[in-house]
Amino acid sequence: KAGVTQTPRYLIKTRGQQVTLSCSPISGHRSVSWYQQTPGQGLQFLFEYFSETQRNKGNFPGRFSGRQFSNSRSEMNVSTLELGDSALYLCASSLDAAKNIQYFGAGTRLSVL
Amino acid sequence: GDSVTQMEGPVTLSEEAFLTINCTYTATGYPSLFWYVQYPGEGLQLLLKATKADDKGSNKGFEATYRKETTSFHLEKGSVQVSDSAVYFCALPGAQKLVFGQGTRLTINP
Repeated sequence: KAGVTQTPRYLIKTRGQQVTLSCSPISGHRSVSWYQQTPGQGLQFLFEYFSETQRNKGNFPGRFSGRQFSNSRSEMNVSTLELGDSALYLCASSLDAAKNIQYFGAGTRLSVL
Repeated sequence: GDSVTQMEGPVTLSEEAFLTINCTYTATGYPSLFWYVQYPGEGLQLLLKATKADDKGSNKGFEATYRKETTSFHLEKGSVQVSDSAVYFCALPGAQKLVFGQGTRLTINP
């Protein structure tokens, strides 16, 4: 069974631009969660989607948004990029994040110049 | 709110040394507890878990025991290898999310 796939693996953007990251969960998983990993703040929860509905959201500004499609694939978008948005963005899939183990992708490394 | 505290890193050991990485938690009730590992350039992998008090999780020579009296879930390995070099995260489940400790970077020298 294929694991969680995140694309692209690396991105370089400039301040003010926007970016879209993609996550394909493990087949059969309906929950997708997103996390931001930085050296200073560690792993921080962004949001979680289950069957196309956002069930939980972390403490991030409105520039960070996401969505989930009917096939459970998810995208997250960051608008008006800031230097501080440089991070590794990790996606995790689960049968249900409320009850089951989460499996992580390799992440997308975003650098904002 | 729920929180996880890990020992400060980084930790550097010689091959075959004994490893302990401390983890304590604050939570309502008795949640499951996890250790995740992140190898260089990769995402997180579940290393082991425990679902109730006094459970011992184990995998790849690593062990951790869920101690409700001390609200701890310390990670141990009797003899580390160079291939164990990675970042280790203790975590517990919150509302549709994982709450992580700050991570401990482990380097094993040959």
